[in-house]
Amino acid sequence: DIQMTQSPSSLSASIGDRVTITCQASQDISNYLNWYQQKPGKAPKLLIYDASNLETGVPSRFSGSGSGTDFIFTISSLQPEDVATYYCQQYDNVPYTFGQGTKLQVK
Amino acid sequence: EVQLVESGGGLAQPGGSLRLSCAASGFTFSSYDMNWVRQAPGKGLEWVSFITFSSTTIYYADSVKGRFVISRDNAKNSLYLQMNSLRDDDTAVYYCARVNRGGYPGDYWGQGTLVTVSS
Repeated sequence: DIQMTQSPSSLSASIGDRVTITCQASQDISNYLNWYQQKPGKAPKLLIYDASNLETGVPSRFSGSGSGTDFIFTISSLQPEDVATYYCQQYDNVPYTFGQGTKLQVK
Repeated sequence: EVQLVESGGGLAQPGGSLRLSCAASGFTFSSYDMNWVRQAPGKGLEWVSFITFSSTTIYYADSVKGRFVISRDNAKNSLYLQMNSLRDDDTAVYYCARVNRGGYPGDYWGQGTLVTVSS
């Protein structure tokens, strides 16, 4: 199984800050990586697909990059509504494993 | 508007069974692959199972293989998860999620249904 190592597990930042989360795959997954946002009590919401493509309707402050084994998710300017847990997921091989999540809070 | 609505969750005893349903609307269900994903209370996301649009290819996580069965009825626009031999660690919110025609999963999710396994 492909292991997805996401870091940090939690993060506190100020409004307007640039926020970065990383995800490392245990083997090459090309660009078959999603990033999701999940708010408490809600279903995950897809933000980025194929590592760097912004899902329709998602604000442009969210972005993703990387390929192979190393991936980066960025919020260019943190907004209050971005408080959530963020997950990466690989879909190169079954099982379609998720990272353990990054809980993002506002200082 | 794309909608996925799960149902069938509830309380089950260890060793028991439940059948989850996911009703799809707002898109041509018969053209899309689907997934089940679960989330134990306070934990992260875990992929459970995948089925192609025509049911010709099915995959399971090792944790549910041999106990859970995914199926679909395209005439009824519905996805199912038959859960047998339930264990305490199957307690979770279960989500159905669509695979985009571009090949990436999770473009739309249901609201989830809670399964609690306890004696």
